[in-house]
Amino acid sequence: GESVGLHLPTLSVQEGDNSIINCAYSNSASDYFIWYKQESGKGPQFIIDIRSNMDKRQGQRVTVLLNKTVKHLSLQIAATQPGDSAVYFCAENERGKLIFGQGTELSVKP
Amino acid sequence: DTGVSQDPRHKITKRGQNVTFRCDPISEHNRLYWYRQTLGQGPEFLTYFQNEAQLEKSRLLSDRFSAERPKGSFSTLEIQRTEQGDSAMYLCASSFGQPEPQHFGDGTRLSIL
Repeated sequence: GESVGLHLPTLSVQEGDNSIINCAYSNSASDYFIWYKQESGKGPQFIIDIRSNMDKRQGQRVTVLLNKTVKHLSLQIAATQPGDSAVYFCAENERGKLIFGQGTELSVKP
Repeated sequence: DTGVSQDPRHKITKRGQNVTFRCDPISEHNRLYWYRQTLGQGPEFLTYFQNEAQLEKSRLLSDRFSAERPKGSFSTLEIQRTEQGDSAMYLCASSFGQPEPQHFGDGTRLSIL
């Protein structure tokens, strides 16, 4: 079936560097995508979303890029901080329900 | 805090017992979703409601699982005759229509002895 997946399961970055987390999706009909951050023992926290009629969207220190040609999504975090350490999930909207990938664990070294 | 609230946060029970979880969504949200998450995996969709109507159920939701949202506000998820494989985090989310961001609660962690 259709699925959403992540290229890298773990990512370690130095504090202050930029982080890039990648995601591949397989349903070319998907029209809405969300990035979530999940800390241990907590539920997923909404970070940023993007609709398929856009290729870039910026938030506070975060940018999501959507490449529909290769069905690829990325999350860029600028000036990564220790508080950014968490597992990051991309999710694809399928008729109202979200299909999640496995997640990437981001570790920020001080 | 007016986010999604789930109760209890943790539930430990013996195999074969019934359990019920509650979710209170963000007040103006008309859509409510249930997901299940196991260690190291992303959440998996179980079911969702628009107001009080249950619109879709995953095949993951066996006959032992039932969810309700009687007045279109809070929701309950019941698992009957629990099995070891039911051990997981049960997450609730809500949204105002779709496609709109789904906002999650901190989940109920179920452990089956």
